[in-house]
Amino acid sequence: GQQLNQSPQSMFIQEGEDVSMNCTSSSIFNTWLWYKQDPGEGPVLLIALYKAGELTSNGRLTAQFGITRKDSFLNISASIPSDVGIYFCAGYSSSGGYQKVTFGTGTKLQVIP
Amino acid sequence: DTEVTQTPKHLVMGMTNKKSLKCEQHMGHRAMYWYKQKAKKPPELMFVYSYEKLSINESVPSRFSPECPNSSLLNLHLHALQPEDSALYLCASSQVTSYEQYFGPGTRLTVT
Repeated sequence: GQQLNQSPQSMFIQEGEDVSMNCTSSSIFNTWLWYKQDPGEGPVLLIALYKAGELTSNGRLTAQFGITRKDSFLNISASIPSDVGIYFCAGYSSSGGYQKVTFGTGTKLQVIP
Repeated sequence: DTEVTQTPKHLVMGMTNKKSLKCEQHMGHRAMYWYKQKAKKPPELMFVYSYEKLSINESVPSRFSPECPNSSLLNLHLHALQPEDSALYLCASSQVTSYEQYFGPGTRLTVT
């Protein structure tokens, strides 16, 4: 089946540093979303990408929909302690007449104050 | 109101018990979802309801029985679960034509 691989799997960064993470697949996706999940909570939607090559920002977050439609990137600038959590990408593709969602394996971010 | 609520927050049940998980949203969304999430893993889609009708069942065992009594409520009835069913169960909702799902905080289920 489809699989979304995220890298890095985990990362420790110093407060104030910029962060980059990516999501790759062997399959094409029509839409990419990025979520953040805090411990014991549900995922929260950060950014949605609808067009290949699209670059979208939301505050300190910037995400890009890869031109091949097989990857996506998320950047966080000037990290702060509350950025700690697990970041998931999610890709949508057509399957059997409906849009099937596949979540990535996750990137765990830890910020050192 | 942009909140999806789930009750209970935690649930411990034996393998012979029957219990239900509840989910509620008041955003006017007509698509609602159940996901299962094991520790350190991504959410896995279980069921999708669209306009209160079951539209997707991702080959979930029959010991999980979903129900959508109205456009704001989604239930997941549990019966004869196995210890490997222990997980965080997440509910989500969205507009039917949107990919952007809003998740609840989840119910942490432990099957003993």
